Amino acid sequence: ILNVEQSPQSLHVQEGDSTNFTCSFPSSNFYALHWYRWETAKSPEALFVMTLNGDEKKKGRISATLNTKEGYSYLYIKGSQPEDSATYLCALDSGNTPLVFGKGTRLSVIA
Amino acid sequence: EPEVTQTPSHQVTQMGQEVILRCVPISNHLYFYWYRQILGQKVEFLVSFYNNEISEKSEIFDDQFSVERPDGSNFTLKIRSTKLEDSAMYFCASRPGQGPNQPQHFGDGTRLSIL
Repeated sequence: ILNVEQSPQSLHVQEGDSTNFTCSFPSSNFYALHWYRWETAKSPEALFVMTLNGDEKKKGRISATLNTKEGYSYLYIKGSQPEDSATYLCALDSGNTPLVFGKGTRLSVIA
Repeated sequence: EPEVTQTPSHQVTQMGQEVILRCVPISNHLYFYWYRQILGQKVEFLVSFYNNEISEKSEIFDDQFSVERPDGSNFTLKIRSTKLEDSAMYFCASRPGQGPNQPQHFGDGTRLSIL
């Protein structure tokens, strides 16, 4: 059974702080890694799909890196804003199998 | 931007009753999925659907569950005889293909509460 772990489970930061969190996955089953941003009462919103070892992707103040050899990805948020408050989910795509999600990191940005 | 829509947003049902959760995937997408999240737990895969048939299902997706794409636009999840433990958020997702750079697009979910 594939297991995707995210840490920390929750995080509180002050507005303006930069932060990062981790997604770990079994490197032997890698095809792609998906990051989603999920606000309460809304649908999970796709942030990034990462496929190549060493990939770095950026969307505004949010960026992500990928290490497929050691099986982890980091998500960074620079200068956190209250509107960044959400649960950030990563999901492992092993190819022809369904996405396997981590439990998410719940981020709260305090103004 | 096209989006996946789900109805209803909240469904309250007595235990033992049947429920149908509805989804309208993005129109040019070919792969469809149902997931659920029980409060405080991970998002769990239920079933994937392609070319008018189930392509994969999890252990959760037992005989009480079924999916249908009755008319080329709707994608439904039926739970035949609901149990208390079926209470969860149910998410529908679709994607255009299975290439590595194609994310799944999710609906807002249906919150199912079984009494």
